Amino acid sequence: EAQVTQNPRYLITVTGKKLTVTCSQNMNHEYMSWYRQDPGLGLRQIYYSMNVEVTDKGDVPEGYKVSRKEKRNFPLILESPSPNQTSLYFCASSSQGAETQYFGPGTRLLVL
Amino acid sequence: GENVEQHPSTLSVQEGDSAVIKCTYSDSASNYFPWYKQELGKRPQLIIDIRSNVGEKKDQRIAVTLNKTAKHFSLHITETQPEDSAVYFCAASASNFGNEKLTFGTGTRLTIIP
Repeated sequence: EAQVTQNPRYLITVTGKKLTVTCSQNMNHEYMSWYRQDPGLGLRQIYYSMNVEVTDKGDVPEGYKVSRKEKRNFPLILESPSPNQTSLYFCASSSQGAETQYFGPGTRLLVL
Repeated sequence: GENVEQHPSTLSVQEGDSAVIKCTYSDSASNYFPWYKQELGKRPQLIIDIRSNVGEKKDQRIAVTLNKTAKHFSLHITETQPEDSAVYFCAASASNFGNEKLTFGTGTRLTIIP
């Protein structure tokens, strides 16, 4: 089954404790992206990647890091999480750049 | 950078009536305009998209129109049904090789009244 998976689905952590949210796709897509969703603000792009070892900033990259060492994986790293990073995070992938993106199930993060 | 504004933020329509959601964008280089539907507790899913070389696109009860001159695009849903209740997001991208940033609107919560 073609899919985008994220782990964990729910996470509660404390300020400053490094964490990684994993994203994996089995569709051989070149393009992968991370978004955060907050009430009243919609979906905002954090980072995207056009292919292995190629990443670029979205609209809200501050406080986040990504890496793309393999085509199927695109982890999101929060080196020192802060409460304002409490949000619902979605990973997405596509074979056509920003077009026709398939979203993962989401990761709900709470930073205390 | 690109800025996408979406209106209204909430919309209620009687079942069977039409719904229209409007978006404006700021970057004249944007050339790809998708619409995503997000049901409660679910992930966003693409329902229709349009490229800048096309003025209108239809898919059954859903249509999107684009006015490049005015920099606005709209989603039209006809003969609305209860399963159309969801949050709808528009987005814009200057979708060319090397520039694949996607900017979303803030969403419209559509409620279909039986």
